Amino acid sequence: DIVMTQTPLSSPVTLGQPASISCRSSQSLVHIDGNIYLNWLQQRPGQPPRLLLYKVSNRFSGVPDRFSGSGTGTDFTLKISRVEREDVGVYYCMQATQSPWTFGQGTKVEI
Amino acid sequence: EVQLVESGGGLVQPGGSLRLSCAASGFLFNDYWMHWVRQDPGKGLVWVSLIDIDGSTKMYADSVKGRFTISRDNAKNTLYLQMNSLRVDDTGIYYCVRASTGRPDYWGQGTLVTVSS
Repeated sequence: DIVMTQTPLSSPVTLGQPASISCRSSQSLVHIDGNIYLNWLQQRPGQPPRLLLYKVSNRFSGVPDRFSGSGTGTDFTLKISRVEREDVGVYYCMQATQSPWTFGQGTKVEI
Repeated sequence: EVQLVESGGGLVQPGGSLRLSCAASGFLFNDYWMHWVRQDPGKGLVWVSLIDIDGSTKMYADSVKGRFTISRDNAKNTLYLQMNSLRVDDTGIYYCVRASTGRPDYWGQGTLVTVSS
């Protein structure tokens, strides 16, 4: 199975300031169809996870444009341009290139 | 509006059984592969099982193979997970997840399964 490793595991942030989370996969996430099925999930306290970004950099429906994603191959980054209070929670990278889906350990973003 | 509503969780002794259900609405259920994902208490996310649109393809995590069975009833827009021979490490919140190509686009609220004596 592909191992997903996130850094840092905890990220104290300041409101209005940027934040960044890194994710590394144990092997390339380029699918045979040419796509990279690397997704980012957000889990607010007491809530289920929700899809934030898909295929590295595409924002899912309703996701604010302060969230952006980048990366290729095995190294990926989620950036929040200006952190807002509602962004507090745990962020997970996950891959769907190869079965089974695998998830990073999660990064806790707190003010 | 897409909705996924899980039910069937609860407290069960080791060796016991539970059947989880996930009622889907707001989309064409039989157009989508579906997954179960578990969240261990205070920890991360673990993929458990998947099923394709007509139930002909099923996959399981090694830890549940031979004990859990995924199924779906497209006429009832419902996904199931039959869990037998439950172990303490099966404890967690079980989420029903809709899958679009390469992404888990909608998650249910989850149902808590606690395996304890």
